Amino acid sequence: EIVLTQSPGTLSLSPGERATLSCRASQSVSSTYLAWYQQKPGQAPRLLIYGASSRATGIPDRFSGSGSGTDFTLTISRLEPEDFAVYYCQQYGISPPMYTFGQGTKLEIK
Amino acid sequence: QVQLQESGPGLVKPSGTLSLTCAVSGGSTSSSDWWCWVRQPPGKGLEWIGEIFHTGSTNYNPSLKSRVTISIDKSTNQFSLRLSSVTAADTAVYYCAKNSAYRVDPWGQGTLVIVSS
Repeated sequence: EIVLTQSPGTLSLSPGERATLSCRASQSVSSTYLAWYQQKPGQAPRLLIYGASSRATGIPDRFSGSGSGTDFTLTISRLEPEDFAVYYCQQYGISPPMYTFGQGTKLEIK
Repeated sequence: QVQLQESGPGLVKPSGTLSLTCAVSGGSTSSSDWWCWVRQPPGKGLEWIGEIFHTGSTNYNPSLKSRVTISIDKSTNQFSLRLSSVTAADTAVYYCAKNSAYRVDPWGQGTLVIVSS
């Protein structure tokens, strides 16, 4: 089973700054199988990025995903007040077929 | 667009069985998509529980497999989760969702289930 480790655990930044969130896999992951989600308090997660770099419908272009193999990154180019939330990466594994999530990165206002 | 809504008891006794149903609207459980359950203990991260296809084929998280059953009812456009022998560690918000093309989207709003006597 592939384990996803996200860093940092908490990221403190100000609106307008650039955020870089990391997701590292314990073994190589196909980019096709890597997604990112945003979760705000009391809400369900929302899909941001799929296929490592494709934005989901309605997601602003300040959100971008990159990476391959074992290292993936979510970048928010200029933070807006509504971007402060918890972010999760997710991968799909074939054997056994299952989804796993990273432990999350909390993006908080500095 | 597809919308999902969880329903079921919010309180389950230890050693009992947790049962939840997810109603799908704006789409069909007979489509070529998988339907899944994900849970989130209070203040913690996300855990994928398992998924079902309209044929009844299922995949489960190995860590929960011995206690989980996911079923589907295409006639009512719903799918369900049963988790047996629950303990306090199973207290969580339970989400139903659609997974296709290796991503989970959309999600239901979630329902909190507390395991307590």
